[in-house]
Amino acid sequence: KQEVTQIPAALSVPEGENLVLNCSFTDSAIYNLQWFRQDPGKGLTSLLLIQSSQREQTSGRLNASLDKSSGRSTLYIAASQPGDSATYLCAAPPPFGNEKLTFGTGTRLTIIP
Amino acid sequence: DTGVSQDPRHKITKRGQNVTFRCDPISEHNRLYWYRQTLGQGPEFLTYFQNEAQLEKSRLLSDRFSAERPKGSFSTLEIQRTEQGDSAMYLCASSYLREDGYTFGSGTRLTVV
Repeated sequence: KQEVTQIPAALSVPEGENLVLNCSFTDSAIYNLQWFRQDPGKGLTSLLLIQSSQREQTSGRLNASLDKSSGRSTLYIAASQPGDSATYLCAAPPPFGNEKLTFGTGTRLTIIP
Repeated sequence: DTGVSQDPRHKITKRGQNVTFRCDPISEHNRLYWYRQTLGQGPEFLTYFQNEAQLEKSRLLSDRFSAERPKGSFSTLEIQRTEQGDSAMYLCASSYLREDGYTFGSGTRLTVV
């Protein structure tokens, strides 16, 4: 059974700093891995999707990496801004069979102005 | 197409009442998913449709829960005889191909009093 862990559960950093969020998964047989952002009381917004054959994806100030052999993904945020404050979740489906996404519990990020 | 739509955004109901939520996926997406999220946790899979066929159901989906997607377009999730433990955010997602990732709606926040 896939388990996804995100550490730390919460993180506060001053505005302008670069930061890294971590996502670990126990079963390396994943189809892809997706990073989401969730604002309080809202739904999930997709940030980046990495296919199992890829090593990284970039969108603006965000860069996500994937290392299947070690069961890890990281989300790098450059030049953080107060608007980046949110909960960040990673999720991975299995490569075949069922379609269930397994989520981590998220990292709550606060950017201090 | 503006994405995945969920209605209502918020629902407060008394214990024992029935509630129904609606999800309208992105029009060309044939896959539709329901997830439940409680405070401080990541979303948990409830059920999955491909077109009108319900292909997977989680053990979380007790016999008080039922989901339908009658014409392969919108879906409804009904909870009968609601309990306080049903209070959560109910999220809907859709996708076309697995490699495209998932698009989530804004969710329906259910409070059972």
